[in-house]
Amino acid sequence: EVQVLESGGGLVQPGGSLRLSCAASGFTFSGYAMSWVRQAAGKGLEWVSGISGSGKVTYYADSVRGRYTISRDKSKNTLNLQMNSLRVDDTAVFYCAKSAGRSSWTFDHWGQGALVIVSS
Amino acid sequence: DIQMTQSPSSLSASVGDRVTITCRASQSIINFLNWYQQKPGKAPKVLIYAASSLQPGVPSRFSGSGSGTDFTLTISSLQPDDFATYSCQQIYMTPPTFGGGTKVEIK
Repeated sequence: EVQVLESGGGLVQPGGSLRLSCAASGFTFSGYAMSWVRQAAGKGLEWVSGISGSGKVTYYADSVRGRYTISRDKSKNTLNLQMNSLRVDDTAVFYCAKSAGRSSWTFDHWGQGALVIVSS
Repeated sequence: DIQMTQSPSSLSASVGDRVTITCRASQSIINFLNWYQQKPGKAPKVLIYAASSLQPGVPSRFSGSGSGTDFTLTISSLQPDDFATYSCQQIYMTPPTFGGGTKVEIK
């Protein structure tokens, strides 16, 4: 059974940093692109960042480029998101999402979400 | 970025009703369009991919149509489990972008 499980959410002050992780199981981790998608309270979904199955190619939304870094550890089947220079408008539930294919942005499995609150 | 506009933003319907939700892209996305269902406090679930293909395990009362810039999600006979928020997503270009969502509520 495919599972993805986020961890690392919490409360952080503006300008601070936070690292999210996503533990994946039940599929060949390196065979699929992975992404982070966030959702602010009462708002729509926003794709934040994605990474190829090999980890060699990364993608970012303009709103986070230069502040967030996505990475994956194939030895641990883990996806990470390092978030720096956090702003109040980064407050959201962050979902780890598995792509349906090697290079697809169709997300067929999602985690339960990790809440990130940026507030002083 | 490609902008995705959904309408309506919310609707009220009764069990058994036929429900139609529309999604418009700011440029042609051919058929690179997905539909997701999301219930409160839960992660989204993909229902339709490539505009009209039903994800395995999704009930056949859900269907999708359209191409180019205009797309439709139809629920042929609304069931109690279908009250949720539905979002379209284009995957034609990076970044993938979502519509603002349509909340389907009980009348």
